[in-house]
Amino acid sequence: DTGVSQDPRHKITKRGQNVTFRCDPISEHNRLYWYRQTLGQGPEFLTYFQNEAQLEKSRLLSDRFSAERPKGSFSTLEIQRTEQGDSAMYLCASSLTGINNSPLHFGNGTRLTVT
Amino acid sequence: AQSVAQPEDQVNVAEGNPLTVKCTYSVSGNPYLFWYVQYPNRGLQFLLKYITGDNLVKGSYGFEAEFNKSQTSFHLKKPSALVSDSALYFCAVNTGNQFYFGTGTSLTVIP
Repeated sequence: DTGVSQDPRHKITKRGQNVTFRCDPISEHNRLYWYRQTLGQGPEFLTYFQNEAQLEKSRLLSDRFSAERPKGSFSTLEIQRTEQGDSAMYLCASSLTGINNSPLHFGNGTRLTVT
Repeated sequence: AQSVAQPEDQVNVAEGNPLTVKCTYSVSGNPYLFWYVQYPNRGLQFLLKYITGDNLVKGSYGFEAEFNKSQTSFHLKKPSALVSDSALYFCAVNTGNQFYFGTGTSLTVIP
């Protein structure tokens, strides 16, 4: 079991730059989620995919954020024109489709710092 | 709206003593409830879940949780705390598509 992997682990960028994060889910999982976590808070839902289809996006996800999962395997999360408020841990998780008792399996996250 | 609340930001307990981390929930329909643990600079790890059936659910690392429908609670428990249990604990509810997480409780086990 290789688990969920995220790359990079850390990213420091200057305000206004674009950044892209990658997530590789557990291979047999066809649901993939992105969450954002700030210090002292629980994970906040951003978006999720079932296979390659993006089924739901949070209102937290501004126009500067875009996520893709082109072949239903790995996913990317891009943030354009980063702002200091984007500094957070970005967590990816995967699970099995449509099974309400299927837990999320999380990666170790990408910590973004916008200077 | 679906939500979970963790009323305690911080819980301190002496090693060897029982521990409880509290969670209450608000959902429409049947609740699917989960506990996760997070160590520094890591993702969340699944501990246990309640779907239906017995109100006492057993999970990983000796943790268990008690589901109480009348009090809408799902408290995490362990009979004897270890220093290595010190971490951040999150309660979560699944609504079918999304998971909603509480704000977390930082558990410190004092040697």
